[in-house]
Amino acid sequence: DQQVKQNSPSLSVQEGRISILNCDYTNSMFDYFLWYKKYPAEGPTFLISISSIKDKNEDGRFTVFLNKSAKHLSLHIVPSQPGDSAVYFCAARRQGAQKLVFGQGTRLTINP
Amino acid sequence: ETGVTQTPRHLVMGMTNKKSLKCEQHLGHNAMYWYKQSAKKPLELMFVYNFKEQTENNSVPSRFSPECPNSSHLFLHLHTLQPEDSALYLCASSQESGAEAFFGQGTRLTVV
Repeated sequence: DQQVKQNSPSLSVQEGRISILNCDYTNSMFDYFLWYKKYPAEGPTFLISISSIKDKNEDGRFTVFLNKSAKHLSLHIVPSQPGDSAVYFCAARRQGAQKLVFGQGTRLTINP
Repeated sequence: ETGVTQTPRHLVMGMTNKKSLKCEQHLGHNAMYWYKQSAKKPLELMFVYNFKEQTENNSVPSRFSPECPNSSHLFLHLHTLQPEDSALYLCASSQESGAEAFFGQGTRLTVV
């Protein structure tokens, strides 16, 4: 049973436009959510996170939105740049738990 | 330089071989993790070490044997692996277990 799901395996966006990456979760006990970015031949790099007490967190071009009632979070990147082309993973953590549960990832391609 | 270094980057081994993966973190973190990433699957947590003590084993077969001699080093000893164990093995560390994890670049393992 996959508790964190990224239903879009890939996404293609024009440079300068907004990229929206989506993630759904099933466990209502998750209280902390993270986004990671992964380039080929490298490990995932932490990007941005959000606590369940918030519904939005912004860091430069990156904004994460959390909709607890829908058990849905999204990552907005605006404006999208060619260097944003990577695989993006969302992850979630249950309060008091030691591990992060990851989604399958979405490959984002930014076209010039 | 990510602060988490894994060696080797690539490993090809036969099913009867014994090999070890090494991870070292220079971040002063107290928790270290082994993750497995197979093709088109989410990152799967294998083991968690907190202050050198193993605190989670995610039902990993005994042919994978972790070792954590101190908070900065983590090993994964491999013995009589199967071809389906071929995957990217990622080491990560965090200040405390469950916090944002910083990943190494991974070891691409191929079992022949």
